[in-house]
Amino acid sequence: ILNVEQSPQSLHVQEGDSTNFTCSFPSSNFYALHWYRWETAKSPEALFVMTLNGDEKKKGRISATLNTKEGYSYLYIKGSQPEDSATYLCAFNGANNLFFGTGTRLTVIP
Amino acid sequence: DAGVTQSPTHLIKTRGQHVTLRCSPISGHKSVSWYQQVLGQGPQFIFQYYEKEERGRGNFPDRFSARQFPNYSSELNVNALLLGDSALYLCASSLVVWAIRGGQETQYFGPGTRLLVL
Repeated sequence: ILNVEQSPQSLHVQEGDSTNFTCSFPSSNFYALHWYRWETAKSPEALFVMTLNGDEKKKGRISATLNTKEGYSYLYIKGSQPEDSATYLCAFNGANNLFFGTGTRLTVIP
Repeated sequence: DAGVTQSPTHLIKTRGQHVTLRCSPISGHKSVSWYQQVLGQGPQFIFQYYEKEERGRGNFPDRFSARQFPNYSSELNVNALLLGDSALYLCASSLVVWAIRGGQETQYFGPGTRLLVL
């Protein structure tokens, strides 16, 4: 079982603040790194799939970077809104398995 | 288009019983994966099926089994239920299996089945 770690475990920010969190994963046998957003009582929603070292992806106010050599990915949210409140999960894709971190729970306070 | 659907939404069983969970993928998707999420942890991979064949298996005991049908829907079966099997079981579908696109394939998740074992 591979170790995928996310930090912080939870985060409270004020509306309008920008924030970021980290996903750490093994740097060997890397295939892809996935980010998901999971709102309470809903299905996890795919945000990004990242495969190349140095990859940067952006979707609206959310962006992510990838460093496969050192084994980490950052997720950034610019100008947080209450609707961004969710758990953000990253998942490391090995050859035939997908290993999830425990997630970062973000609460945006209006 | 309908997303991934799972049934039932909630289920209560007692120790020793068995349970069958069902998943219907997004139309056109040929791969289905199953995950178990225990409170406080991230989802853990159980199985992946593609074209009715098992293509990946996580670290779960043989009490867990699954199959995929010709219409690409899938069932997850758990025998001899233990208290520790209480969890949210998530199904995800994708067009193809991970290995074909080097892990890039996006998975689309269903809402899950919450299983409580008493």
